[in-house]
Amino acid sequence: QQPVQSPQAVILREGEDAVINCSSSKALYSVHWYRQKHGEAPVFLMILLKGGEQMRHEKISASFNEKKQQSSLYLTASQLSYSGTYFCGTVETQGGSEKLVFGKGTKLTVNP
Amino acid sequence: DGGITQSPKYLFRKEGQNVTLSCEQNLNHDAMYWYRQDPGQGLRLIYYSQIVNDFQKGDIAEGYSVSREKKESFPLTVTSAQKNPTAFYLCATRRDGKSGNTIYFGEGSWLTVV
Repeated sequence: QQPVQSPQAVILREGEDAVINCSSSKALYSVHWYRQKHGEAPVFLMILLKGGEQMRHEKISASFNEKKQQSSLYLTASQLSYSGTYFCGTVETQGGSEKLVFGKGTKLTVNP
Repeated sequence: DGGITQSPKYLFRKEGQNVTLSCEQNLNHDAMYWYRQDPGQGLRLIYYSQIVNDFQKGDIAEGYSVSREKKESFPLTVTSAQKNPTAFYLCATRRDGKSGNTIYFGEGSWLTVV
């Protein structure tokens, strides 16, 4: 089942902070975060594992609350380059195969 | 260079025609995936393959077919049965690691039905 992301869209001024949330109705063992620029492929940011530490990519960090089945992405002192759509992905296993299911995305716009 | 190569980048198809999108990787990854992206819909899984000669349907497999005869290749055929095929198609591979498994994407293929 597709994870739910919120908010759907965020508009910031350069230097401001933002939080993007990702929640699932299923038990989570890992959460993946990706960023996609318009017309390009998604780029891997980080993966959070159950029982693992909070991760960081440049000034972007993320946390994973296993009990609440959710993850949050924190964008600190946003830069123009942070603009794009952010996707979280959760892993589902089926018959020994593993697939990554993505949320619908959060569009982040950083203005000067 | 190591990576995932999708071709063609842009493709126009007439209604009723089948079209095949190519995906080749030299990363030596076992698992490969096909996703479809529509505006506001995120990434939806079409098919995935764990190993050669094996593949499973994803969430939106109807109207699509795949093959996995070689580890490096995972072509996707969009058949005439797919009612609304215009979309951005992304091929991906999975790297398995002790710190978690990571999905890597190709550059994508834009398919337009005219």
